[in-house]
Amino acid sequence: SQTIHQWPATLVQPVGSPLSLECTVEGTSNPNLYWYRQAAGRGLQLLFYSVGIGQISSEVPQNLSASRPQDRQFILSSKKLLLSDSGFYLCAWSVVGPGELFFGEGSRLTVL
Amino acid sequence: EDKVVQSPLSLVVHEGDTVTLNCSYEVTNFRSLLWYKQEKKAPTFLFMLTSSGIEKKSGRLSSILDKKELFSILNITATQTGDSAIYLCVLVFLNAGNMLTFGGGTRLMVKP
Repeated sequence: SQTIHQWPATLVQPVGSPLSLECTVEGTSNPNLYWYRQAAGRGLQLLFYSVGIGQISSEVPQNLSASRPQDRQFILSSKKLLLSDSGFYLCAWSVVGPGELFFGEGSRLTVL
Repeated sequence: EDKVVQSPLSLVVHEGDTVTLNCSYEVTNFRSLLWYKQEKKAPTFLFMLTSSGIEKKSGRLSSILDKKELFSILNITATQTGDSAIYLCVLVFLNAGNMLTFGGGTRLMVKP
């Protein structure tokens, strides 16, 4: 069966520090991978998606970047965090088709 | 401008009430419409709707899609406090990346 792992679950970082959130998927090949950010109590905003290794599409210009060094690994990064980067980040995967989306457990980032 | 609009934004009911959550959209070129329930962390999948007029049902929850009028509803009967959550409506688009657009969510609170 397929599983998705996302870490760390909670992160507190000072402004200007770097960020790395990691997501890995098991049990499937060539998944579509996504990073979402969620504002408190609201819907999800798509940040990046990837249809294959090294293929990253950005939906929102910002302080963050994403990379897909391996088929089932997706990394969200920042060189210098801003206060506005605080939020709940979700990694997700899907296969081509009707589009059911499977989410990781999420990472809560607080930038101080 | 938002392509997927959910209403109401928030809702407070008492246990035993029936609620109807709405999701309206503006586009027609999508694969499917998904409903998710989000409590404290990652959203959990509820329904996938691809055909108009066919009701999907799971216990006290049901959902239907109307492609002519461009909306979907999620019904919850005999609500329980455990139904308290944010309910997310998502459109899955017809492209290689399975682009998804989330609605803003409806926050449901069920009081005892």
